[in-house]
Amino acid sequence: QKEVEQNSGPLSVPEGAIASLNCTYSDRGSQSFFWYRQYSGKSPELIMFIYSNGDKEDGRFTAQLNKASQYVSLLIRDSQPSDSATYLCAVNGGGGSNYKLTFGKGTLLTVNP
Amino acid sequence: DGGITQSPKYLFRKEGQNVTLSCEQNLNHDAMYWYRQDPGQGLRLIYYSQIVNDFQKGDIAEGYSVSREKKESFPLTVTSAQKNPTAFYLCASNALTGGENIQYFGAGTRLSVL
Repeated sequence: QKEVEQNSGPLSVPEGAIASLNCTYSDRGSQSFFWYRQYSGKSPELIMFIYSNGDKEDGRFTAQLNKASQYVSLLIRDSQPSDSATYLCAVNGGGGSNYKLTFGKGTLLTVNP
Repeated sequence: DGGITQSPKYLFRKEGQNVTLSCEQNLNHDAMYWYRQDPGQGLRLIYYSQIVNDFQKGDIAEGYSVSREKKESFPLTVTSAQKNPTAFYLCASNALTGGENIQYFGAGTRLSVL
């Protein structure tokens, strides 16, 4: 059973701080890693994706991947109240299942003004 | 205006009734997916389809059925055999060739039992 684990939170940070969200996965064959943001009552929207070990930056967001440790993280710099949402980590299946995603249960982030 | 359209936004099912959730995409994507989300939970895969007239069961297919007669459409039927259907249902699609193999989501259908 392929698993994706996230801390459920809630993670609470003050406005302007760095929020750090973490995710571990069990399938060593996984090649693609995604972070989705989901506001309450809404559908998930893609924030970042990463395929290679290391860091990938997009504006205030940085995704970090360490395949040896089977660990992926999302950093949000200068957190804003509008960043308050649930963040879902998703990992594709290895081998012939690379078109299927396994989702973690999500981490609820609250940014306090 | 390209995207994935799910309808209805809210749906109510009576005991013993089958209901069908609609999902249409105009992104020319090959693959389409149905997920179920329960409160405080991640997304669980119900069914997926990589090509017209073909689909596969996901992790929680029991009590559900799908069809893929057109590339643009992937309706989900929640049958009376699904004893706990109350959930948020999400349809997604992605292109299997080229690009970054990213799944995009519709706005979802919230199903409740009367």
